[in-house]
Amino acid sequence: AQTVTQSQPEMSVQEAETVTLSCTYDTSESDYYLFWYKQPPSRQMILVIRQEAYKQQNATENRFSVNFQKAAKSFSLKISDSQLGDAAMYFCAYRSAWSGNQFYFGTGTSLTVIP
Amino acid sequence: DTEVTQTPKHLVMGMTNKKSLKCEQHMGHRAMYWYKQKAKKPPELMFVYSYEKLSINESVPSRFSPECPNSSLLNLHLHALQPEDSALYLCASSRSGPSYNEQFFGPGTRLTVL
Repeated sequence: AQTVTQSQPEMSVQEAETVTLSCTYDTSESDYYLFWYKQPPSRQMILVIRQEAYKQQNATENRFSVNFQKAAKSFSLKISDSQLGDAAMYFCAYRSAWSGNQFYFGTGTSLTVIP
Repeated sequence: DTEVTQTPKHLVMGMTNKKSLKCEQHMGHRAMYWYKQKAKKPPELMFVYSYEKLSINESVPSRFSPECPNSSLLNLHLHALQPEDSALYLCASSRSGPSYNEQFFGPGTRLTVL
């Protein structure tokens, strides 16, 4: 099974500043998808951003961007101009392109935004 | 419609009760999932249905019994649960097969076992 590692259990950032959350994964596959999910306290898990492994260009969604390093098996999330509503648990997830529907989640990073 | 709905939102049950959790989606997704999540932890996969057939069962105790009556509905039947089963139960759905498929999550059912 693939493993996904998030080495930062907790992070904090000042409002309007930038923060980067780390994620590494272990796989022998060449085709896969990577995701960052956000889960605010007592609220629904939602997709923040996704990346296809075959694309070299890093994905961007408004204030959210990723740094995808395929050789290093690294997939970090950068949040620019942090807002209070960004406070949440962030989970990195991996999905194989070919072998089944299973998603593998990292252990999560709890992000606090300081006003 | 990009929504996964779950009922009930909250459930309190005794160890001898039988109850069911329900999940529904109308996005045409053919993969549906049950997860168990403890506070500040990632979701733990319990079951995956693909085209209404159980494709993954992560060694879940038999007191949890999944059912997929049709392509839009997913149930989780609960019987003789233990206090350690108290958790947030999440349902999710996605397209099935090799494509750029994210999971859509429901809001969850907060289960307390007394």
